[in-house]
Amino acid sequence: AQKITQTQPGMFVQEKEAVTLDCTYDTSDQSYGLFWYKQPSSGEMIFLIYQGSYDEQNATEGRYSLNFQKARKSANLVISASQLGDSAMYFCAMREMDTGRRALTFGSGTRLQVQP
Amino acid sequence: DSGVTQTPKHLITATGQRVTLRCSPRSGDLSVYWYQQSLDQGLQFLIHYYNGEERAKGNILERFSAQQFPDLHSELNLSSLELGDSALYFCASSGFGKGAYNEQFFGPGTRLTVL
Repeated sequence: AQKITQTQPGMFVQEKEAVTLDCTYDTSDQSYGLFWYKQPSSGEMIFLIYQGSYDEQNATEGRYSLNFQKARKSANLVISASQLGDSAMYFCAMREMDTGRRALTFGSGTRLQVQP
Repeated sequence: DSGVTQTPKHLITATGQRVTLRCSPRSGDLSVYWYQQSLDQGLQFLIHYYNGEERAKGNILERFSAQQFPDLHSELNLSSLELGDSALYFCASSGFGKGAYNEQFFGPGTRLTVL
C-alpha cells in the first residue's frame, strides 16, 4: 500500500485565490511527522511546513497552512492568496518515528499552476 | 540557499560507467540522506548516514554504494550504470532532533544522464 497518496497530478488556480492540495497517508506508527515540500522548475526542494502527529493545532507558516485530520489520515496543504511564484511541484512526505527510520517517504506530487 | 552543496550539478556519462556524486552537509549537521528522483519511481530514499555510520537503507541498488567521511561529507558511488539510472540525485542533511520534527535541508541535486 502507498504510504503517501497525492491524488491530484495537476491543479490550476487563479492568482490571489486559495487552493488545497490533498495528501493522505498510511501508517501504523503513533508518532510520525508530515511535511510539505515545494519543487520549482529549477529543481531544488524547499521545505514549507511541518505537522506532528501529536500536534493538536493545525500548522501554519505564512500563506501556508496544513489541514490535519488525524482520524482520516489526511494532511492537506492550503495555500492562501496564490501568487504566480507558487507554480511548482508540491510533495507531501512522512517520517515514521516508531520504526526509528528517519528518512522521508514522499508522495508522487501535485503540479500546481497559478494563472494570472 | 540551504547550506547543503552537491557536486557536480550535471553529469552525463555512458552505460556501464561509474560515477561519484559528492555532498557536503550544512555546518554541524551529522546526518546525510541520499534520495533519487526519477520520472517513473518518483522521489525515493536511498541511504542514510549519521556521523560516518550507515543508519538505514532504502531502495538502493547493489550497484550503488555510499560513505560518509570524517569531515562529514558524503559520496554516492554509482557503478555499471544503466539508462534507468538517469535521475536527479538529492542529498539532504539534518541535525540531531528529538521526535518527528527534524527538518531535512536539501541540496540543489545532481542531474545524472546516462546515454
